[in-house]
Amino acid sequence: SAVISQKPSRDICQRGTSLTIQCQVDSQVTMMFWYRQQPGQSLTLIATANQGSEATYESGFVIDKFPISRPNLTFSTLTVSNMSPEDSSIYLCSVAAGWGMNTEAFFGQGTRLTVV
Amino acid sequence: DAKTTQPPSMDCAEGRAANLPCNHSTISGNEYVYWYRQIHSQGPQYIIHGLKNNETNEMASLIITEDRKSSTLILPHATLRDTAVYYCIVRVAPDMRFGAGTRLTVKP
Repeated sequence: SAVISQKPSRDICQRGTSLTIQCQVDSQVTMMFWYRQQPGQSLTLIATANQGSEATYESGFVIDKFPISRPNLTFSTLTVSNMSPEDSSIYLCSVAAGWGMNTEAFFGQGTRLTVV
Repeated sequence: DAKTTQPPSMDCAEGRAANLPCNHSTISGNEYVYWYRQIHSQGPQYIIHGLKNNETNEMASLIITEDRKSSTLILPHATLRDTAVYYCIVRVAPDMRFGAGTRLTVKP
């Protein structure tokens, strides 16, 4: 299984500011994803981070609010921009070694964000 | 939208088997069933997955019905540390789509 490191693990931010979350994997992976988990809720996919091209966003999520970078096969960042209290959530990075449906996906421990 | 239906909560006595059901009546022939769990404040943990046959690993067993419309995750000897939200996922894309899951509480 892949070892995923997310930084920071938690943060408290002022509204109107931005936070960049890093996701580092200990091996090269084909797929990287970003999820949001709002308080008391299940996980919602934000976007697929594509190496060398723009991320693919899910309905309800836009690049201006959640810019994503993926410079190589082991690293990605998610920025939460112009934050408001409604952005208070856990943000999780997920990776899969391949495209196939028979390939497990693994998750980082998440970044707990509180916006005040 | 999730293609699965799970009971919102279940209890299990410590040391007993925990049997968590999942309905996925619209599953297609090439779609895998995955199980994850999320212990409080942690990222989801992969448990097991299968296509048609029953599967077993060091954590759990997965029983898939012959028509593939439902499955059961079995934790053979539940411990207090197995208290978590368990997610059954029918994988239709490289990413995982989570439903509400089942909150399993293991009691002493």
